[in-house]
Amino acid sequence: DAKTTQPPSMDCAEGRAANLPCNHSTISGNEYVYWYRQIHSQGPQYIIHGLKNNETNEMASLIITEDRKSSTLILPHATLRDTAVYYCIVRGPNQGGKLIFGQGTELSVKP
Amino acid sequence: GAGVSQSPSNKVTEKGKDVELRCDPISGHTALYWYRQSLGQGLEFLIYFQGNSAPDKSGLPSDRFSAERTGGSVSTLTIQRTQQEDSAVYLCASSPIRQAGNEKLFFGSGTQLSVL
Repeated sequence: DAKTTQPPSMDCAEGRAANLPCNHSTISGNEYVYWYRQIHSQGPQYIIHGLKNNETNEMASLIITEDRKSSTLILPHATLRDTAVYYCIVRGPNQGGKLIFGQGTELSVKP
Repeated sequence: GAGVSQSPSNKVTEKGKDVELRCDPISGHTALYWYRQSLGQGLEFLIYFQGNSAPDKSGLPSDRFSAERTGGSVSTLTIQRTQQEDSAVYLCASSPIRQAGNEKLFFGSGTQLSVL
């Protein structure tokens, strides 16, 4: 799997947009970008994933650069409940079943 | 409940004893994963099952760890002769594989294992 790089921590004010960056400069053409998050003492939760187009769902938006070497997860109106560790993962179809989690970004949403 | 169910939620055992952890995946999900997470650490992949294919055991840390999946549904992770370093949260996930590389995992709440 392509390696990803994320900042270890970020802060965001409640109600503001949280923009979480991820670098994946060695990504291959058939590899997807996934985002998961883990709220304290819970199992990880799927957020969103994409291949090359930007994606949006009820939780977040995923912006992937044209060269696909980086992406940004956007939480449009962060709440205190969004405080969690956010994992950016890159994975393709020829890499077996396992999803490898890095260290992620610890997002703290503050009132 | 439609989610991934794990039992027990907490397990305390003595060093040297064997333990079994159970995972009930979401009905119809063909892929099942085990991960573990030590205190303050990231998720460590252990094993992956997909349908009738041979499991990917590449993440199992030693031969004391084994897992099986019966009937393509329930899975059991067994740790023999537990050691204190086995203490961790063991997480199970399942996935409805549609297209390899384009699937999402649904995680259970985990089993907190404490080896005294």
